[in-house]
Amino acid sequence: GNSVTQMEGPVTLSEEAFLTINCTYTATGYPSLFWYVQYPGEGLQLLLKATKADDKGSNKGFEATYRKETTSFHLEKGSVQVSDSAVYFCALREGGNNRKLIWGLGTSLAVNP
Amino acid sequence: NAGVTQTPKFQVLKTGQSMTLQCAQDMNHEYMSWYRQDPGMGLRLIHYSVGAGITDQGEVPNGYNVSRSTTEDFPLRLLSAAPSQTSVYFCASSPKMGRLDGYTFGSGTRLTVV
Repeated sequence: GNSVTQMEGPVTLSEEAFLTINCTYTATGYPSLFWYVQYPGEGLQLLLKATKADDKGSNKGFEATYRKETTSFHLEKGSVQVSDSAVYFCALREGGNNRKLIWGLGTSLAVNP
Repeated sequence: NAGVTQTPKFQVLKTGQSMTLQCAQDMNHEYMSWYRQDPGMGLRLIHYSVGAGITDQGEVPNGYNVSRSTTEDFPLRLLSAAPSQTSVYFCASSPKMGRLDGYTFGSGTRLTVV
């Protein structure tokens, strides 16, 4: 079946460091791919998305490119801030009429000043 | 403000008690769902609904009941609470059409069963 695999955390970085959180997926057809962020004590928020191969999603300095050849959707940011400390979830939404999301387990990021 | 509203934010129950977690959305989303979030286990789907009057089970439905009498509301009922149901519960909604849409989440209900 379809699945999403994220790198395990926690990830700890210093402010202004470069961030990569790896996400790979297994899916049939042409899924949409998402990154969600969960700040402490809050619900999940959509961070960015991509709907077809080679699409790049971007938001708040974060980027991720839909790579069908490597079945990956890695999240990157060039210079992290303390306020980026959160848990990041990769997810895919299957094609067709199936609206369910398949989730990765989440990667915790802590950014130190 | 438009979005998904969950109540209560915190709840402590005794084993065997029942309660209802409320979820309401004002975006006219047809699809609504309930997740539980546990450390190291990510998000697990409990129940979902593709429209008023239609519900279905997710991965972990046992011990939970749902109904969808209106488009706006999707309450989750715990029939007889158990310590294993201690978790953070999230309600999420999505428009009917399109795989292009992500979900809008509520802020969660933190439930402790003692």
